[in-house]
Amino acid sequence: DQQVKQNSPSLSVQEGRISILNCDYTNSMFDYFLWYKKYPAEGPTFLISISSIKDKNEDGRFTVFLNKSAKHLSLHIVPSQPGDSAVYFCAATGANNLFFGTGTRLTVIP
Amino acid sequence: DAGVTQSPTHLIKTRGQHVTLRCSPISGHKSVSWYQQVLGQGPQFIFQYYEKEERGRGNFPDRFSARQFPNYSSELNVNALLLGDSALYLCASSLTADKETQYFGPGTRLLVL
Repeated sequence: DQQVKQNSPSLSVQEGRISILNCDYTNSMFDYFLWYKKYPAEGPTFLISISSIKDKNEDGRFTVFLNKSAKHLSLHIVPSQPGDSAVYFCAATGANNLFFGTGTRLTVIP
Repeated sequence: DAGVTQSPTHLIKTRGQHVTLRCSPISGHKSVSWYQQVLGQGPQFIFQYYEKEERGRGNFPDRFSARQFPNYSSELNVNALLLGDSALYLCASSLTADKETQYFGPGTRLLVL
C-alpha cells in the first residue's frame, strides 16, 4: 500500500524554465515531508523539507509547497539547470518510518 | 569529511544463501537506518538503530536482521535469500533518531540468482 505517490515517472523541462514535481500522500499523520535527489550510482541526497505545520519552504532555487487539505506537495525548481537532471524522490515521516514515493526522473534540456 | 560508506558495492548470491552488508556512518552520527530499493521503486525502510538499539522496523520478514556496534557502524543480515531480495540496499546515518536529516550512502547492489 503506497502511502506516498509520485504519479509522473518522468518530466522534461527546458533549461531556464520552471520544473514542477508533484507528490500525493494518503496519511494525514505525516509530520515532515522531504525531497531527495538521486544521481545514478549514488545514494539519495537531501534537498529540502517542510514541516506539516507550514505550507511553503524556500531554499534558493528550490521551493516546496504543501497543501494539507489536498494531501499534496510539490517541488518547484526555478530556473532549472542541466545539473538538476536526476531522479527526485518525495518522502514523508511518520510512525517512526520514512515513506518514499517511486520517484520522478527530471531531464533538463540545455 | 568521509560520508556514509557501505561495503561491498556489488554482490551476487544464489537463492538460499545468507548475506551480510556493512555500513559506516558519518563520524559522530549515532543513528543508522537501512532501506531496500527495488528497481523502479522508491527506497523502503527496513530498520533503524540509534545508540545500538533498534528504534524502528519496517514491514520485512524475520529473515532480515540488523545490529549496530559500539562504534555506531552497522550490519544488515539477510538469511535464506530469495530472488525478490535483489535490490539496492541503502544505509543512512543521522546525528539523532530523527529521519529528517539523514545522509545516505551509495548503497550495495545485491543480485540473487
